[in-house]
Amino acid sequence: SSELTQDPAVSVALGQTVRITCQGDSLRTYFASWYQQKPGQAPVLVIYGKTNRPSGIPDRFSGSSSGNTASLTITGAQAEDEADYYCNSWDSSGNHLVFGGGTKLTVL
Amino acid sequence: QVQLQESGPGLVKPSETLSLTCTVSGGSVSSAHYWSWIRQPPGKGLEWIGYIYYSGSTNYNPSLKRRVTISVDTSKNQFSLKLTSVTAADTAVYYCARGLLGTSAYPLGYWGQGTLVTVPS
Repeated sequence: SSELTQDPAVSVALGQTVRITCQGDSLRTYFASWYQQKPGQAPVLVIYGKTNRPSGIPDRFSGSSSGNTASLTITGAQAEDEADYYCNSWDSSGNHLVFGGGTKLTVL
Repeated sequence: QVQLQESGPGLVKPSETLSLTCTVSGGSVSSAHYWSWIRQPPGKGLEWIGYIYYSGSTNYNPSLKRRVTISVDTSKNQFSLKLTSVTAADTAVYYCARGLLGTSAYPLGYWGQGTLVTVPS
């Protein structure tokens, strides 16, 4: 089991807002990074740090954090946002990297 | 723009050693960054394997530490993964990646396309 916990699946209506969460003790200390992975493709970094977006990532993606929970919010979800999303951070010891189990996002 | 490309055998026999190489272009493995390996079993999530810093220091997933070695070849601008005593449970797509910033091993800002390695049962 992962030290970062994600809901296995989430759905959102086209154009609506969806929040994907990641829980773990280490998130009280470290930021989560978020990756989008579409079938047959490598993961792509979408959010890191407090709420930073790499170049080319639409501004409908944002991040936040409170206590032991990090969140990825997509405001106005598009069909192309349907994908698996993974969070990533240090483990509770701060010595090793870990990934959450992933959340499959369906855009209805 | 940094690009990474994994290469190596797609089929490894049980009990043998899996060896993969990641070739870096558009950047140097000698630059002050963290170079990682991550794997993903078919239909499952991502698992961090370990990383090497440009200085040569390494850090491995505790669950794999006994079997993993990551090294760098600066002359070829590559870094490599060796995983010994493989079993069917090691069947996965293996990705190489680089930290976005030089100050931390994550976030992982640059990824290779991944390579599938199969260990038959």
